[in-house]
Order: sequence, then structure tokens, then C-alpha cells
Amino acid sequence: SYELTQPSSVSVSPGQTARITCSGDVLAKKYARWFQQKPGQAPVLVIYKDSERPSGIPERFSGSSSGTTVTFTISGAQVEDEADYYCFSAADNKGVFGGGTKLTVL
Amino acid sequence: QVQLVQSGAEVKKPGASVKVSCKASGYTFTSYGISWVRQAPGQGLEWMGWISGYNGNTNYALNLQGRVTMTTDTSTSTAYMELRSLRSDDTAVYYCASGDDILTGLASPFDYWGQGTLVTVSS
Repeated sequence: SYELTQPSSVSVSPGQTARITCSGDVLAKKYARWFQQKPGQAPVLVIYKDSERPSGIPERFSGSSSGTTVTFTISGAQVEDEADYYCFSAADNKGVFGGGTKLTVL
Repeated sequence: QVQLVQSGAEVKKPGASVKVSCKASGYTFTSYGISWVRQAPGQGLEWMGWISGYNGNTNYALNLQGRVTMTTDTSTSTAYMELRSLRSDDTAVYYCASGDDILTGLASPFDYWGQGTLVTVSS
């Protein structure tokens, strides 16, 4: 089976830049999406096609891709950005999520 | 506005089956498919599969093939996910999400989720 690897946790102070990486061989050939999930809520799409932002998603959220790694960045993280973040892509036409990263902003 | 409303919580015994529904509104049901994703307590997200709202074609996760069946009823814009031979490790919140097929979807912003359905498997 294919895997997407994320750090289990990232911690930043308010106003700092938070970066979350996601690594996997499939990312060299397939786009990635990023989801934000807050406790007790359904996931929300925050990045698609590696770096595109859906309407309504804050401009401080961005994504980038290089080789087998995609990176999700929050420029000027806010307390309300504290959540779990998951990358998602496809391998052999099957969906695969990263293990998730708990972002702490305090 | 796009809405996906899922059926209520279920408690099942090991070996039983569960069928979760997901009623869509606010968009043309046959223009997109429905993915199913589950999340065990305190764990991450797991992709279960996808079904086309247009023709019912399915794409299941390898570890669930043989136990899961996804169907749609286009007359009511409702998708269903049935999981059989339930085990304790199937205890999870099950989500439906509207969107394109797995590859097209990666490049698409169309993505709406239901509220989740808790399925508890316990003797």
C-alpha cells in the first residue's frame, strides 16, 4: 500500500508561519489536497491541485509542491487555525490520506 | 446551498451489517460522485471508496473490497454505504463527501461533506 507521511504535530506562536509537509512517491505524479478538521467537525477542503485555494478559504493558507513532497503553509497563523490537517492524494486510482498533523497555535 | 445530510447513529453487534445514507441537495446529483471516508475514535481519516452519481460506477479501497457496497438512488439524490461482517475496529464516524472521481477530484474545488454518522460495533 502507498503512504503519505506527515509530522504528527507542529507548534507555532500566533502570527508565525506554520508549515506542514506531506511526503510520498505518488506526489511526484499526482496532485494533492489538504483538509482542515476541527474537533467534532467534518473536514474542510483548504487546498486542492497542490496549491489552489477554494473560495472562502483565507489567503494566509497556501500550498506548494516539489518532487515527492507537498507543503501546506499558514502565513501568520491565528489561534482559530488550531486543528488537524490532512493531505490526500491518489495511488493506483485509490485514495490515500496522510496520517494527519495536529497544529497547535499558542 | 449544497448540503449532505446523513442518517443517524447506529449501534451494531459484531458480524452484523450497517447501511448509512447520505441525502444530497443543492446541486445536480448526477454531475458528481460521492466518496465515503471514516475516522476511528482519536484516529486519522481513511478513504473507503467512491461511487459515481452518474452511472453508479464504484471504486473501493482494497482493504474493504468484499465487505463494502456503495449504491445511489438518483430519484432521491441519496447515496448509501453498506458495510458487512462488522468488527470492533469498524467503530468510527462515517462521512460522505460529494465530488469528482478520485483523479479528477484532486484538481477540483467541489467538495462538500455530510455531518458524519457514528457507527459503534460492540457486543
